[in-house]
Amino acid sequence: QSVLTQPPSVSAAPGQKVTISCSGSSSNIGNNYVSWYQQLPGTAPKLLIYEDNKRPSGIPDRFSGSKSGTSATLGITGLQTGDEADYYCGTWDSSLSGGNVFGTGTKVTVL
Amino acid sequence: QVQLVQSGAEVKKPGASVKVSCKTSGFIFTAYYIHWVRQAPGQGLEWMGTIYPSGGSTIYAQKFQDRVTMTKDTSTSTVYMELSSLRSEDTAMYYCARGRGGYMEQYFDYWGQETLVTVSS
Repeated sequence: QSVLTQPPSVSAAPGQKVTISCSGSSSNIGNNYVSWYQQLPGTAPKLLIYEDNKRPSGIPDRFSGSKSGTSATLGITGLQTGDEADYYCGTWDSSLSGGNVFGTGTKVTVL
Repeated sequence: QVQLVQSGAEVKKPGASVKVSCKTSGFIFTAYYIHWVRQAPGQGLEWMGTIYPSGGSTIYAQKFQDRVTMTKDTSTSTVYMELSSLRSEDTAMYYCARGRGGYMEQYFDYWGQETLVTVSS
């Protein structure tokens, strides 16, 4: 059971925008950086966003990250068929059980 | 270029142990945490723990605390993850990933190609 909650799925037409929420608490998102990962079918996850809103080299600016309080959001603009994948948020959890944690995952479908 | 190359698929019986390797190259082995993440069929990502090759210190997720051991071989820049007392629920893809950022601010910038572990009698 993940401590970070994401919607199971979101969808939009090509060219449109989607946002994916990641809800946590003060022991994780509220006090630690959030990262986002894209997992295309049958492949390893790929880093999209780190430290809440920074993009690694090579990640287009169609992908953006933000955070407010105990929630984070991934935005994808100009949706493309190649963006159809599972997306996960991640952060550190400072509770007794501690450690890195991931969100429940969101499937993005391009209509 | 940064590479993490994992060992091949394994089939194990319940109660056995499995040891998965992750050979790294293209960066200073002792300067980065290496993490292990698994993904059961059709499920999400689950963090298992991490090892800091400089010294070998480890942090394990509470769920795996008594069953997982992560070690390193600095001479070959390889990290190992051993999981014992396997059960069917351990059937999953296992990934190693390089960690960046501060001690409690790690994110994973490079991933291995996955190792499928199947636990079946």
